[in-house]
Amino acid sequence: KQEVTQIPAALSVPEGENLVLNCSFTDSAIYNLQWFRQDPGKGLTSLLLIQSSQREQTSGRLNASLDKSSGRSTLYIAASQPGDSATYLCAVLRSSGDKLTFGTGTRLAVRP
Amino acid sequence: NAGVTQTPKFRVLKTGQSMTLLCAQDMNHEYMYWYRQDPGMGLRLIHYSVGEGTTAKGEVPDGYNVSRLKKQNFLLGLESAAPSQTSVYFCASTDRINQPQHFGDGTRLSIL
Repeated sequence: KQEVTQIPAALSVPEGENLVLNCSFTDSAIYNLQWFRQDPGKGLTSLLLIQSSQREQTSGRLNASLDKSSGRSTLYIAASQPGDSATYLCAVLRSSGDKLTFGTGTRLAVRP
Repeated sequence: NAGVTQTPKFRVLKTGQSMTLLCAQDMNHEYMYWYRQDPGMGLRLIHYSVGEGTTAKGEVPDGYNVSRLKKQNFLLGLESAAPSQTSVYFCASTDRINQPQHFGDGTRLSIL
């Protein structure tokens, strides 16, 4: 059974810092890995999707890497801003393509 | 562009009552999903559909039924609500499994 773990569970940083969020998964037979953002009381917004054959994806100040063999992904946020405050969720789609398994998220607070 | 719309946004039920949650998407997506989100457990897949007229069980299907009579709508039914079904329910859709899932804003359901 796939298990997805995100560390740390919560993080508070001052504005402007570069930061790294970690995601690990137990089964490397994945189709892709996705990073989402969730604001309080809202649904999930997709940030980045990395196919199993890819090593990284970038969008603006966000960069996500994938090391499938070791079961790890990182989300790098450059020059953090208060507007980045949210919960960040990692999810892996298993190789059959029918089930997305989510981690419990990292709650990020960026202080002005 | 509405995206994924969930109805209702909030609901309180008594144990044993039944209700239906509606998910509607206007992106002509083939795949639709129902998840529940509980504190400390991440999102878990209840049921999903790979096209009009199809449904399949996810990770936690017991106590729920679904129907996809029209491509744009995916209904989640609770036949006899139980307190353990108190949760936030999210609907998602995607065009292809290698594309990000688009989420609604959720339905907050309390069973007393």
